[in-house]
Amino acid sequence: QKEVEQDPGPLSVPEGAIVSLNCTYSNSAFQYFMWYRQYSRKGPELLMYTYSSGNKEDGRFTAQVDKSSKYISLFIRDSQPSDSATYLCAMSKNSGGSNYKLTFGKGTLLTVNP
Amino acid sequence: DVKVTQSSRYLVKRTGEKVFLECVQDMDHENMFWYRQDPGLGLRLIYFSYDVKMKEKGDIPEGYSVSREKKERFSLILESASTNQTSMYLCASSPQGGRNQPQHFGDGTRLSIL
Repeated sequence: QKEVEQDPGPLSVPEGAIVSLNCTYSNSAFQYFMWYRQYSRKGPELLMYTYSSGNKEDGRFTAQVDKSSKYISLFIRDSQPSDSATYLCAMSKNSGGSNYKLTFGKGTLLTVNP
Repeated sequence: DVKVTQSSRYLVKRTGEKVFLECVQDMDHENMFWYRQDPGLGLRLIYFSYDVKMKEKGDIPEGYSVSREKKERFSLILESASTNQTSMYLCASSPQGGRNQPQHFGDGTRLSIL
């Protein structure tokens, strides 16, 4: 079993839809969870950063972590064509130090149609 | 804003050449990372460095080396380029320790080895 699993999609939705993106993981040592957005031919850009279980909201974006189920989600409300990108989940066991490493999902390609 | 700059967006080299990819960050971050990103495989960590002159192997270090002589600069070296090293290379940086210290990425170098 891979450490982090993410459905690659592609996912296509109409403008204004609520989008749900998900990752599952197998290692219970992960404590820090991130979502990155990557536009075509650009580097990943940090969207959301959460620690441990719970919800975090930022504008139209909500990140949710359920450590008991080893499941994280990113919800996008009122999706816009400008949200069309690849979304990568990432997680780490610690937040810094000499052994700080991220483990990434493979990314979900999202297209929001006008 | 954190700025991670990779010296080239696109690079074409020949097999057997020694290739240098350069990365500079302007936020005095201790940690720097090199990844490669391939379709279907996601981001894979090649090497990282948590201090000047310090380096640690990532998941796929074979065929690569790195150099960190100054805090702001981290170089990836392909000792003898091969066609299977054709990929998108991404550099990232992060501060050391504490909470809420995610990695910030450059826009990548798309390297083709002919």
